[in-house]
Amino acid sequence: GAGVSQSPSNKVTEKGKDVELRCDPISGHTALYWYRQSLGQGLEFLIYFQGNSAPDKSGLPSDRFSAERTGGSVSTLTIQRTQQEDSAVYLCASSPHWEGATQPQHFGDGTRLSIL
Amino acid sequence: AQSVAQPEDQVNVAEGNPLTVKCTYSVSGNPYLFWYVQYPNRGLQFLLKYITGDNLVKGSYGFEAEFNKSQTSFHLKKPSALVSDSALYFCALTNAGKSTFGDGTTLTVKP
Repeated sequence: GAGVSQSPSNKVTEKGKDVELRCDPISGHTALYWYRQSLGQGLEFLIYFQGNSAPDKSGLPSDRFSAERTGGSVSTLTIQRTQQEDSAVYLCASSPHWEGATQPQHFGDGTRLSIL
Repeated sequence: AQSVAQPEDQVNVAEGNPLTVKCTYSVSGNPYLFWYVQYPNRGLQFLLKYITGDNLVKGSYGFEAEFNKSQTSFHLKKPSALVSDSALYFCALTNAGKSTFGDGTTLTVKP
């Protein structure tokens, strides 16, 4: 079946512009996660959703970052007034159920964001 | 607070030799531990997990990991490495909805 789909796969934009990254999880997966992976670095947890709600937004790096999920499916991560330090690969993952987070996460291939 | 440490940035082994990729963790409460593998320009792929029960867990592609509560470790192992195992490996801890990943270990298997 279809895996987690992220779009665009690559995004190049100028500093100060807003960008919107999209994640389409596996159908039926109720948990959805966003991470940031900088070159040569590990994964930085940004936010997760249980259905449409985000219990913990503390991982978002600044108030320029926001995320939403509608219909328990597609999620968008928006970065306003982009800065060069926002350049990274943004990964999305989904898992079948919340269940105390015992389920593995299924990852998309990421969006590579480059800020000029 | 929870944390995951992968003390080795890089591990090099010869094909056919056993491999170990190390992971230690810190968390309050019971840990849910995972190993993932990442190939270039791809997302992470799940290898195996420890939730409860037997300390030795077996996963995909012949990998296994041993949970050691006293040493707070969850090392990834494989008896005989393949060149195709060369990739970036991440250990992860999930607790109360928050997932914490180690910084990753690059495994290189040489023919």
